[in-house]
Amino acid sequence: GQQVMQIPQYQHVQEGEDFTTYCNSSTTLSNIQWYKQRPGGHPVFLIQLVKSGEVKKQKRLTFQFGEAKKNSSLHITATQTTDVGTYFCAGPGSGAGSYQLTFGKGTKLSVIP
Amino acid sequence: DSGVTQTPKHLITATGQRVTLRCSPRSGDLSVYWYQQSLDQGLQFLIQYYNGEERAKGNILERFSAQQFPDLHSELNLSSLELGDSALYFCARRRGNSNQPQHFGDGTRLSIL
Repeated sequence: GQQVMQIPQYQHVQEGEDFTTYCNSSTTLSNIQWYKQRPGGHPVFLIQLVKSGEVKKQKRLTFQFGEAKKNSSLHITATQTTDVGTYFCAGPGSGAGSYQLTFGKGTKLSVIP
Repeated sequence: DSGVTQTPKHLITATGQRVTLRCSPRSGDLSVYWYQQSLDQGLQFLIQYYNGEERAKGNILERFSAQQFPDLHSELNLSSLELGDSALYFCARRRGNSNQPQHFGDGTRLSIL
């Protein structure tokens, strides 16, 4: 079945440093979604990318969708303590599996003040 | 406000017991998803319902079952509980087609003693 892999699993950064998490799918995706889960919280939708090579920005966050629509990345510039949490990417399956999202295991970001 | 209400927030029970988790999506949202998240693990998709019908099934154990009622609330039933079933159980709603994002409830934390 479809697999979505994320690296790294954990990342510790000093406040002000940049952070990047990478997401790779075993299959071509119609779209990719990113979610953030704060410690003790629930996943919250951040953004969706649909087009090949698409780049979207949300303040200090930059999201990219690969040309082959099988990989994606999230880059945070100048991290802040409010960025702490686990970042998940997720992609829909194909065919009958398109109704569900397959989540990566997430990248847990710690920011040292 | 994610538009999803999950009850109870916490549940403590013993091995061999049976519990029911409840999810109430916002009015008009026909899709409900159930996920299991074990400690420091990603989100494991369990099952999806759409307008009362089972739409997709993930890695859901035979001891687990779910249903969606005419008012669109959903229940996840877990029976013959084992220690390994201790986890956070999230319900998510989705409005519209499979390309729309999912919105998660606060989850139910299940602890098996």
